[in-house]
Amino acid sequence: DTGVSQNPRHKITKRGQNVTFRCDPISEHNRLYWYRQTLGQGPEFLTYFQNEAQLEKSRLLSDRFSAERPKGSFSTLEIQRTEQGDSAMYLCASSFPTSGVEDTQYFGPGTRLTVL
Amino acid sequence: DAKTTQPNSMESNEEEPVHLPCNHSTISGTDYIHWYRQLPSQGPEYVIHGLTSNVNNRMASLAIAEDRKSSTLILHRATLRDAAVYYCILLHTSGNTGKLIFGQGTTLQVKP
Repeated sequence: DTGVSQNPRHKITKRGQNVTFRCDPISEHNRLYWYRQTLGQGPEFLTYFQNEAQLEKSRLLSDRFSAERPKGSFSTLEIQRTEQGDSAMYLCASSFPTSGVEDTQYFGPGTRLTVL
Repeated sequence: DAKTTQPNSMESNEEEPVHLPCNHSTISGTDYIHWYRQLPSQGPEYVIHGLTSNVNNRMASLAIAEDRKSSTLILHRATLRDAAVYYCILLHTSGNTGKLIFGQGTTLQVKP
């Protein structure tokens, strides 16, 4: 257990429905990252927050995706109008970089999304 | 982003050393070399990182070539629990967002 928790662990939904995932990072960590991982591939970066500010978004993050981190604590990732191609593992990670290079990320167990 | 190349898969016997190679011929002077691994059904976990000198920690050792164009992650005595996908990743030091760019990694099988 890294101290990063994600809920739910599994989500099955029908195409066209909206889903929301939650990530609780390690409490003193000011950076929070979202990644997506499909079967047989390495994780792909989606977006990251420094405190409550969303500082970078990947081109993978279409306008159906939105992420928030109110008050710089937990974060939510919402997918609207889900498509079958959204089926993947969604991973959250947090870090507290002391100098940038020491940005060790601690990953949660992920939320596995299946879109039928 | 500078790219890394790793073998798709490797096999090892339990309790033997394992050397996992990574090529990064386009590495820049400000890139750190990070290794993460991902056990089945888990999120990735940090293993080790370095810049120029070899590094040791409780999990592994990292040997970095003198020209920095390649590196090797060394597991001194492989256990069944070390079976995982190992990712070699380069991180810029300047303007660093910290985002990790994962490749395909090396799938390590450990045989009893």
